[in-house]
Amino acid sequence: GIQVEQSPPDLILQEGANSTLRCNFSDSVNNLQWFHQNPWGQLINLFYIPSGTKQNGRLSATTVATERYSLLYISSSQTTDSGVYFCAVYTGTASKLTFGTGTRLQVTL
Amino acid sequence: NAGVMQNPRHLVRRRGQEARLRCSPMKGHSHVYWYRQLPEEGLKFMVYLQKENIIDESGMPKERFSAEFPKEGPSILRIQQVVRGDSAAYFCASSNHPGDTEAFFGQGTRLTVV
Repeated sequence: GIQVEQSPPDLILQEGANSTLRCNFSDSVNNLQWFHQNPWGQLINLFYIPSGTKQNGRLSATTVATERYSLLYISSSQTTDSGVYFCAVYTGTASKLTFGTGTRLQVTL
Repeated sequence: NAGVMQNPRHLVRRRGQEARLRCSPMKGHSHVYWYRQLPEEGLKFMVYLQKENIIDESGMPKERFSAEFPKEGPSILRIQQVVRGDSAAYFCASSNHPGDTEAFFGQGTRLTVV
């Protein structure tokens, strides 16, 4: 099956800093989503982005499907950005979202 | 417009008991997925269902676990004779058309086996 690797695995930022999270996948995908799992365990949809670039406030994402990666940018980070960020992909041959390994982000004052 | 609803949010069971987890998909969604998350780990696929059909159960343990999505009512994930290793967060997601549209997750059920 498809392999989905995220980097870095852990990240500590001071409030106000910017960061880039990466998601690499081993096969062609039809769909890619980014999620934020907050410290209470809730999964929050950030982006549905099979290709191209999208922006939502301080967050933006870019997927380059032909090169099999996606990037999530967080600007001017806030403590509420803390948690785990997952990317998840659909392939044409599988009927499910396969999750990446996650990036654990901690934003400190 | 209610999202994906899961209940209960927290469930405590003694070893050997049965656990029933419920998931009501978003309105208009007919595809349901169950995932399990062990502490400090990622989400692992368990099963994918459409109304009255199991489409993909490749992630389901062979014994004690079953899932259904009846014509009427929520999807149910059933775990019989629970063991301590079943303690985890169980998430349900729904979508309108798999692969082409966004999937949304419920808040999860945290199962603790004592």
